Amino acid sequence: DIQMTQSPSSLSASIGDRVTITCRASQDIKDDLAWYQQKPGKAPTRLIYDASSLQSGVPSRFSGSGSGTEFTLAISSLQPEDSATYYCLQHHAYPPVFGRGSKVEIK
Amino acid sequence: QVQLVQSGPEVKKPGASVTVSCKMSPNNFGNNGVNWVRQAPGQGLEWVGWVSGLGRTNSADKFYDRLTMTTSTSTVFMELRSLTSDDTAVYYCARDVDPTNWYEIDFWGQGTQVTVSS
Repeated sequence: DIQMTQSPSSLSASIGDRVTITCRASQDIKDDLAWYQQKPGKAPTRLIYDASSLQSGVPSRFSGSGSGTEFTLAISSLQPEDSATYYCLQHHAYPPVFGRGSKVEIK
Repeated sequence: QVQLVQSGPEVKKPGASVTVSCKMSPNNFGNNGVNWVRQAPGQGLEWVGWVSGLGRTNSADKFYDRLTMTTSTSTVFMELRSLTSDDTAVYYCARDVDPTNWYEIDFWGQGTQVTVSS
């Protein structure tokens, strides 16, 4: 199975800060990676697909980059509503695997 | 607006089975696959299994002998048997983006709480 290593597991940042979250795959997954945001008590919602494509309706402060084994989700200017947990998902091969999540808190 | 509407919360005793349904509206799933993902209390997301629009299934190894997933035109079902307290979680259905990109999830259901307790 492909392993996904996501970091950091949590972070605290101020409004307006740039925030980055990383997922590393144990083998080449091309650009078959998505990022999801989950708020407490809610289902996840997709932010990024194909590693770097922005889901329709998602603010442009979110961006994704990377291919192969290393991927990054960036929030260019953190907003209060961005407080959430973020997950990556590799769907390149069976079984699909989620990262362990990164909890973003606002200072 | 695509919506996946799941059945309501369930409380089961150890050893019992649970069935969760997921209905897509306003249209049906077509040939898109549907994934099942669960989240234990305070934990991350765990992929459980997948059923294609034509009824083919794949599941995570740990569930292979106690998980059944079926599909009709607009509703998919997940049955999990021989429940233990470790199966207590919110179970989500989640749609594939299209019939050819398996496990690539775009939309999620609202989640169904399954509680296993004696």
